[in-house]
Amino acid sequence: KQEVTQIPAALSVPEGENLVLNCSFTDSAIYNLQWFRQDPGKGLTSLLLIQSSQREQTSGRLNASLDKSSGRSTLYIAASQPGDSATYLCAVPPNSFGNEKLTFGTGTRLTIIP
Amino acid sequence: DAGVIQSPRHEVTEMGQEVTLRCKPISGHNSLFWYRQTMMRGLELLIYFNNNVPIDDSGMPEDRFSAKMPNASFSTLKIQPSEPRDSAVYFCASSTTSSQQFFGPGTRLTVL
Repeated sequence: KQEVTQIPAALSVPEGENLVLNCSFTDSAIYNLQWFRQDPGKGLTSLLLIQSSQREQTSGRLNASLDKSSGRSTLYIAASQPGDSATYLCAVPPNSFGNEKLTFGTGTRLTIIP
Repeated sequence: DAGVIQSPRHEVTEMGQEVTLRCKPISGHNSLFWYRQTMMRGLELLIYFNNNVPIDDSGMPEDRFSAKMPNASFSTLKIQPSEPRDSAVYFCASSTTSSQQFFGPGTRLTVL
């Protein structure tokens, strides 16, 4: 059974700093990996989807990397801003195209200090 | 596109009552997902549909829960009878096959 872990559970950094969020998964046979953010009382917003054949994916100040062999992904946020404060979750489906049952990590609650 | 639409946004009901949550996926998406989020258990997939057909309902907790997707633009999640432990935020999401999932704003359910 796939298990997804995100450490730390909470992180506070001063505005302007670069930071890295971590995601680990136990079964490396994944099809892709997705990063989401969730604001308090809101739904999830998809940030990046990185395919198993890719090593990284970029969107603006966000960069996600994937190392399947070690079962790890990182989300790098450059020049952090207070608006980046949210809970960040990673999620993986099983390794079969069309099977979309995502397993989510428990999330990292990020606070950017102005 | 307006994104995934869910209704109601908030629902407060008494134990034993029937609850129906509604979802309209993004037009053109062929997969639809129902999730439940609680502090204790995090985010759990209850059921998902592909082309209106239920594919995996192994996350549905009990027979009290049922979901339908009568057409490509509408789905319901029903709880009958509801219990206090069903209190949670229920999310609907949609996607094209194996692509990014887009979530609705959720329905916050409180069962007294």
